[in-house]
Amino acid sequence: KNQVEQSPQSLIILEGKNCTLQCNYTVSPFSNLRWYKQDTGRGPVSLTIMTFSENTKSNGRYTATLDADTKQSSLHITASQLSDSASYICVVRARGYALNFGKGTSLLVTP
Amino acid sequence: NAGVTQTPKFRVLKTGQSMTLLCAQDMNHEYMYWYRQDPGMGLRLIHYSVGEGTTAKGEVPDGYNVSRLKKQNFLLGLESAAPSQTSVYFCASSLKNTGELFFGEGSRLTVL
Repeated sequence: KNQVEQSPQSLIILEGKNCTLQCNYTVSPFSNLRWYKQDTGRGPVSLTIMTFSENTKSNGRYTATLDADTKQSSLHITASQLSDSASYICVVRARGYALNFGKGTSLLVTP
Repeated sequence: NAGVTQTPKFRVLKTGQSMTLLCAQDMNHEYMYWYRQDPGMGLRLIHYSVGEGTTAKGEVPDGYNVSRLKKQNFLLGLESAAPSQTSVYFCASSLKNTGELFFGEGSRLTVL
């Protein structure tokens, strides 16, 4: 069964600190992996997409990594800001278009 | 460019009542989806459409119906609402092959 597991479930960090969110998946055959950011009361917005051949991709202070061999991805946030407080959702697409959602990591950045 | 627009944003229903959620997108996307999001459950697919006039069941379709009469609109209907359908509903759209979903702002539904 295709599954996407995210950890931690929730995280609290101080403003300015770095953090890393994890996504492990069993989806096969793999097509791509996206990280979405969902602000409270809003719909999710795509941050980055990782394909099979990509190891690292950055989007400003967000850096995603992918290890297709171990089926793991991480999202690293550098120099966190209060506006980074949100839920981060990992979505893995199987070939044939089926999308598999993780339950998300809730991040709170405090002053 | 509005993207994906959902109406209404909030609604309270009594058990047994019916209602329709409307989703409209102005990006000329082929695919449209309805998800529900519940605490601790993540986003779950209710129904989706791969083009005008076509619909298909997702992971949790029971108690819901959908229609896609126009390419830009995707309607989600509840014929007889139940308290278990209390949730936040998200509509999304995507181009055929990119996989990136563009979400609406959500519709919060409470069934008493």
